[in-house]
Amino acid sequence: QQQVKQSPQSLIVQKGGISIINCAYENTAFDYFPWYQQFPGKGPALLIAIRPDVSEKKEGRFTISFNKSAKQFSLHIMDSQPGDSATYFCAASIGNFGNEKLTFGTGTRLTIIP
Amino acid sequence: ETGVTQTPRHLVMGMTNKKSLKCEQHLGHNAMYWYKQSAKKPLELMFVYNFKEQTENNSVPSRFSPECPNSSHLFLHLHTLQPEDSALYLCASSPNRNTEAFFGQGTRLTVV
Repeated sequence: QQQVKQSPQSLIVQKGGISIINCAYENTAFDYFPWYQQFPGKGPALLIAIRPDVSEKKEGRFTISFNKSAKQFSLHIMDSQPGDSATYFCAASIGNFGNEKLTFGTGTRLTIIP
Repeated sequence: ETGVTQTPRHLVMGMTNKKSLKCEQHLGHNAMYWYKQSAKKPLELMFVYNFKEQTENNSVPSRFSPECPNSSHLFLHLHTLQPEDSALYLCASSPNRNTEAFFGQGTRLTVV
C-alpha cells in the first residue's frame, strides 16, 4: 500500500512557466512533508519542507501548498528554468521518528524546455 | 558535493558473486542509511545505523548484509543477488535521526 501518491509521473513545462507537482497522503499522523530534488547521476537533496501548522511555505521560486483537510500537498516552481529540470520526490514522515519513517512518492521527472 | 561519498559508482555482478558497496562521510554525522532506488518506485529505506548501532532493518533479504565499523563508514555486502536487485543504491547520513539527510551519488548495481 503506497502511503504517498505523487502525480504526474512526468511533466514538461516551458521556460518561465509554473511547474506544479501534487502529492496525496493517507496517514493522518504524518506531520513533516519535505520535497527532494534529484539531478541525473546525483542523490536526492532536500529542497523545501513544510509542517502542517502552515498552509504555505515559500523559498525563492519554490512554494509548498498544504491542504490538511484534503491530505494533499503540492510543489509549485515559479518562473521555471532549464536548470530546474530534475526528478522531484515528495515525502512524508512522522516528525519524532525522523528519517526512519520517511515515506517517499514515486517521483516526477520535470523537463523545462526553452 | 554533499560530503557523502559512495564507491563504486557502477557495479555489474553475477548472481553467484560477492561484492561490497562502500559509503564514507566525514561530516561528523551520527546516523547513516542505505536506500534502494528503483525506477518508478518510491525510495525504499533498507537499513539505519545510529551511533554505529543498527536501529532499522526494513525486512531486507539476508543476501544484503550491512556493516558499520565506525561512524564514518558504512558498507553493504552483497551475495547471491537476483536480477530484480538491480537498482541504484543510495547511502545517506544525517547529524541525528531527526535532521536532514544528505545523500551520496549512489552505486548503480546491475545483476546479470
